[in-house]
Amino acid sequence: KQEVTQIPAALSVPEGENLVLNCSFTDSAIYNLQWFRQDPGKGLTSLLLIQSSQREQTSGRLNASLDKSSGRSTLYIAASQPGDSATYLCAVRRGSNYKLTFGKGTLLTVNP
Amino acid sequence: EPEVTQTPSHQVTQMGQEVILRCVPISNHLYFYWYRQILGQKVEFLVSFYNNEISEKSEIFDDQFSVERPDGSNFTLKIRSTKLEDSAMYFCASSATANTEAFFGQGTRLTVV
Repeated sequence: KQEVTQIPAALSVPEGENLVLNCSFTDSAIYNLQWFRQDPGKGLTSLLLIQSSQREQTSGRLNASLDKSSGRSTLYIAASQPGDSATYLCAVRRGSNYKLTFGKGTLLTVNP
Repeated sequence: EPEVTQTPSHQVTQMGQEVILRCVPISNHLYFYWYRQILGQKVEFLVSFYNNEISEKSEIFDDQFSVERPDGSNFTLKIRSTKLEDSAMYFCASSATANTEAFFGQGTRLTVV
């Protein structure tokens, strides 16, 4: 059974800092991995999708990497802003399945 | 930008009542999903739907749950007889193919009293 873990559970940083969020998964037979942002009481906003054949994806100040063999992904946020404050979720899709398996998320607070 | 739309945003129902949660997926998407998130817990998969049939479901998705695509635009989740433990945020999602980016709606907060 696929388990997804995100560390740390919470992170507080000053504005302007670069930061890294971590995601690990137990079954490396994934098809892809997706990072989401969730604001309190709101839906999930897709940030980046990395296919299993890719090593990284970039979108603006966000860069996600994937090391499938070790079961890890990182989300790098450059020059953090208060508007980046949210919960960041990672989710993996196993090759033969349709479903996404989610981690519990990292609650990020960026202080002005 | 195309988005997944869910209605209502919040529904309160009495235990034992039937509820229908509604979703309008992105128009050219072919795969549809329901997930739920109990307060403070992980987002959990319920069901996926493709080509007018369920393609995968979790153990949560028992006989009390059903899904339907009644027309070319709507995708619904029905809970036949709600229980207190069904209280959660329910998210609809869609994707163009089975392996591409999944887009989520804003959710319906279901409260069973």
